[in-house]
Amino acid sequence: DAGVTQSPTHLIKTRGQQVTLRCSPKSGHDTVSWYQQALGQGPQFIFQYYEEEERQRGNFPDRFSGHQFPNYSSELNVNALLLGDSALYLCASSLVGAVSTDTQYFGPGTRLTVL
Amino acid sequence: AQSVTQPDIHITVSEGASLELRCNYSYGATPYLFWYVQSPGQGLQLLLKYFSGDTLVQGIKGFEAEFKRSQSSFNLRKPSVHWSDAAEYFCAVGAGGQNFVFGPGTRLSVLP
Repeated sequence: DAGVTQSPTHLIKTRGQQVTLRCSPKSGHDTVSWYQQALGQGPQFIFQYYEEEERQRGNFPDRFSGHQFPNYSSELNVNALLLGDSALYLCASSLVGAVSTDTQYFGPGTRLTVL
Repeated sequence: AQSVTQPDIHITVSEGASLELRCNYSYGATPYLFWYVQSPGQGLQLLLKYFSGDTLVQGIKGFEAEFKRSQSSFNLRKPSVHWSDAAEYFCAVGAGGQNFVFGPGTRLSVLP
């Protein structure tokens, strides 16, 4: 049973560029959440996708956008990159609606460096 | 609004010693509480979780945590630490499909 997978592992971009990160959820999960983890800090919630719609959003600007596909996989897009966007981006999947399984499982993350 | 505090930024213990990592939360209803561990450059691995019922929960790798509603705490414990336990530990609160709020983390170092 594959867990949460993310691609790419590492990414280097320059300021002003755009980036797309990808996530495949754990088998059987229908919800994907994205987090940004700056160096030395805890993960910060960006947004959550369920049924191909953005369900919740954290305090991140509109430069951060996402998408969920019918197979539940998801993309995170960041436009007009800033140096401060350099971070580890974590994807987490969960199964909504079943209390006992309302647990998020995390992927290994994508390390984004903005130069 | 939900919030999580982890008062200890960095803890150092000797191998074989006991460990307690502190977590305090703020949440309006009964929370779902989680502890995750993160090794350098890695994602988060779930150690244990509390939803309801017995306030002492057992997790993987010999960890346990106790939910104390009166103190709004969910401290993580391990009776005997191994060198491989050195990592960053995060406490998180979430409920009903809502997004998780993470604490700032506690870095654990283990002396041989």
